[in-house]
Amino acid sequence: AQTVTQSQPEMSVQEAETVTLSCTYDTSENNYYLFWYKQPPSRQMILVIRQEAYKQQNATENRFSVNFQKAAKSFSLKISDSQLGDTAMYFCAFMKPRVGAQKLVFGQGTRLTINP
Amino acid sequence: DGGITQSPKYLFRKEGQNVTLSCEQNLNHDAMYWYRQDPGQGLRLIYYSQIVNDFQKGDIAEGYSVSREKKESFPLTVTSAQKNPTAFYLCASRSSDRVAHGYTFGSGTRLTVV
Repeated sequence: AQTVTQSQPEMSVQEAETVTLSCTYDTSENNYYLFWYKQPPSRQMILVIRQEAYKQQNATENRFSVNFQKAAKSFSLKISDSQLGDTAMYFCAFMKPRVGAQKLVFGQGTRLTINP
Repeated sequence: DGGITQSPKYLFRKEGQNVTLSCEQNLNHDAMYWYRQDPGQGLRLIYYSQIVNDFQKGDIAEGYSVSREKKESFPLTVTSAQKNPTAFYLCASRSSDRVAHGYTFGSGTRLTVV
């Protein structure tokens, strides 16, 4: 079974700083998807960024980018120029794109606080 | 606008009672999922359904039941057999032809045993 590990339960940075959240996963699959979801205090889950394992290029969405290291099974999220609105729980998630259930497996989450 | 609606937002259950959490989507998604969220444990899969009238157990199905009589609806019943039901419950759906886009989530239901 796939597992996803986020080793940083909590992080805190000053506004405008850059922060990196870590995620590692365990799988024997060669093709899969990886996601970062954000859960602000409202508790609504919001997709931040996604990466397809067969793509070499790291995904980027505005201030959010990933460092995908397939051999190391690592998928970290970098937030540049952090803003107060980035304060949230962040979850890393894994999905096998096999025909069928395509279940998302989540890490334990990292609570990120952006301080003014 | 299309989305997923979960109701109620807050739910209180007495010991020994069954309660049902509602999840409705108008995204025309085939697959629907129920997750439980506890502090420090991330999200854990309870049940999922890929098509109408079919569903499978997830990792923590004991004490829960579901039905999928309509494509749009996937209600979750928390039975009296669930010994620790206090948690935040999230419903999600996924398009069959846009797997790489991940899931769309509802806004959740907070269940508390009183």
